[in-house]
Amino acid sequence: EAGVTQFPSHSVIEKGQTVTLRCDPISGHDNLYWYRRVMGKEIKFLLHFVKESKQDESGMPNNRFLAERTGGTYSTLKVQPAELEDSGVYFCASSRAETQYFGPGTRLLVL
Amino acid sequence: GNSVTQMEGPVTLSEEAFLTINCTYTATGYPSLFWYVQYPGEGLQLLLKATKADDKGSNKGFEATYRKETTSFHLEKGSVQVSDSAVYFCALSKTGGFKTIFGAGTRLFVKA
Repeated sequence: EAGVTQFPSHSVIEKGQTVTLRCDPISGHDNLYWYRRVMGKEIKFLLHFVKESKQDESGMPNNRFLAERTGGTYSTLKVQPAELEDSGVYFCASSRAETQYFGPGTRLLVL
Repeated sequence: GNSVTQMEGPVTLSEEAFLTINCTYTATGYPSLFWYVQYPGEGLQLLLKATKADDKGSNKGFEATYRKETTSFHLEKGSVQVSDSAVYFCALSKTGGFKTIFGAGTRLFVKA
């Protein structure tokens, strides 16, 4: 069984540009999550999808972040416009129930 | 609010040394507790978990016991190997919920 995959693995952009991160969950997992680790600090929850619906988006930092999961399969997280403080590692995870399986993360650097 | 506090690293040990990484939590009710590990260049992997008080999670020689009286979930291993070098994250999720709250991570270096 393939694990959670994320694309790209790394992204370097300039402040003010737009970046879109993609996550492909494990097949059959209705739950999909986005997390972020900034500057070596704790990993923070961003949001949770159940199929295509946003179940909990309490962790989204501001309206520059937009997450979608059309069709309930893969998800995208768009940052527009990117700011310096958005730099960090963005993790995606998926689950059938409580145990979450994480992807390798996308390392984003905003210059 | 709910939170997880774990000891700051890095922790540097020699091979075959005993490992303890402390983790305490703050939460209402009865959360599930987890340890995740991130090896260099890889994603987070679930190492072990415990879902109720006094449960012991174990995997790959690592153990952690859910202690409600001390709100702790310390990670231990009797004899570490160089291959255990990684970042270890303590985490919790509320029963019936899915949002996971993580500690800041503890980097472990094991020297041969």
